Amino acid sequence: VQLLQSGAEMRKPGASVKVSCRASGYAFKGYYIQWVRQTPGQGLELVGWINPNSGGTSYAQRFQGRVTMTRDSSINTAYMELRGLTSDDTAVYYCAREEGHSGSVYLDYWGQGTLVSVSA
Amino acid sequence: QSVLTQPPSVSGAPGQRVTISCTGSSSNIGAGYDVHWYQQLPGTAPQLLIFANNNRPSGVPDRFSGSKSGTSASLAIAGLQAEDEATYYCQSYDINLPASRVFGSGTTVTVL
Repeated sequence: VQLLQSGAEMRKPGASVKVSCRASGYAFKGYYIQWVRQTPGQGLELVGWINPNSGGTSYAQRFQGRVTMTRDSSINTAYMELRGLTSDDTAVYYCAREEGHSGSVYLDYWGQGTLVSVSA
Repeated sequence: QSVLTQPPSVSGAPGQRVTISCTGSSSNIGAGYDVHWYQQLPGTAPQLLIFANNNRPSGVPDRFSGSKSGTSASLAIAGLQAEDEATYYCQSYDINLPASRVFGSGTTVTVL
């Protein structure tokens, strides 16, 4: 199992960024993908998740209206787009595979992380 | 501010046992939802350490153990080693939050 994320990005305030996460070694549609971010020197923060089978999504409250998660099952890739970037969005963004069942989901495989830097 | 509260740091000498608490509420841990733990070594992505309260993935030493009671959970590291210096995060499920998943605030373990 491997999750390979796209490379580091630099954006100006107000711009958008789209990070990709290509999965291999397992049935892509069988596991949710969760996106997590980590701001410099801080902890882990849920951004949201996507069901690659149905395309269904759910986002953490602070990102609602600003984030869109999609997938392309033909190439086993999930995407996270974040709009209206500010310097507070400077962070490493991780994708991770969810295992378990509703009420008990955990992240058994993680991508390497994508650094998104926002600066004027 | 995280829904799950962890102490910012704990420390111990090599060989000692340390524990990390993860305190939640009636909408997450107290509601019976499982707790999972991750280890993040400096400069790397987090890795699964304990799942479903007290289960170790293949390859995780049995020095690491987890438990849960009431609205809290704990991670114990027995026989502390230098390689255990890392930040540890708990995670659970919360019925009151959009997207439902929630992380703890993280605890940095220092080996003296």
